Amino acid sequence: AQSVTQLGSHVSVSEGALVLLRCNYSSSVPPYLFWYVQYPNQGLQLLLKYTSAATLVKGINGFEAEFKKSETSFHLTKPSAHMSDAAEYFCAARGGFKTIFGAGTRLFVKA
Amino acid sequence: EPEVTQTPSHQVTQMGQEVILRCVPISNHLYFYWYRQILGQKVEFLVSFYNNEISEKSEIFDDQFSVERPDGSNFTLKIRSTKLEDSAMYFCASTFSGPSAPDTQYFGPGTRLTVL
Repeated sequence: AQSVTQLGSHVSVSEGALVLLRCNYSSSVPPYLFWYVQYPNQGLQLLLKYTSAATLVKGINGFEAEFKKSETSFHLTKPSAHMSDAAEYFCAARGGFKTIFGAGTRLFVKA
Repeated sequence: EPEVTQTPSHQVTQMGQEVILRCVPISNHLYFYWYRQILGQKVEFLVSFYNNEISEKSEIFDDQFSVERPDGSNFTLKIRSTKLEDSAMYFCASTFSGPSAPDTQYFGPGTRLTVL
């Protein structure tokens, strides 16, 4: 069965520092992978998605993620954190009709 | 940009009452989904719907739940007899293509259901 694991329920970085949010998936066949961001009391906004076209995927707001099949990982990065990046981030894998979400990582950005 | 809309944004109900959550998917999309997020927990898949029938459902989606596309634009989730543990944020989503395509699921803003 498919599963998505996000390492670290909370990550805290300083403004301007590198953001690294970790995600590993478990699947016999690499699924379609997504990162979503959720701001307080709002819905889910797509940051980026992996569809097997390229292993390095660029998304909105300066985020990118690299698909590594050998590590079954799809970590999200941003070179320089901004205060507005503070939110909850969900890694997700789509297989079949449903999307399986990780538990989420809350990103805190310190001034 | 087209978007998925949901009404109401917040629904408060008494335990045992029926609730209907409404969604308007993106107009040319063909596949529709409901997810829920209990406060502080992960987003969980409930059900997918295509061609007027359920295509997949999770173990959460028991006989208390039902979905319907009553007309050409709305997609509803009905909970027949609400329980306290049904309190959650419910998200509707839609896609144009089915599972064989890496289509982005567009999510609505959610309906917060509070069962008292």
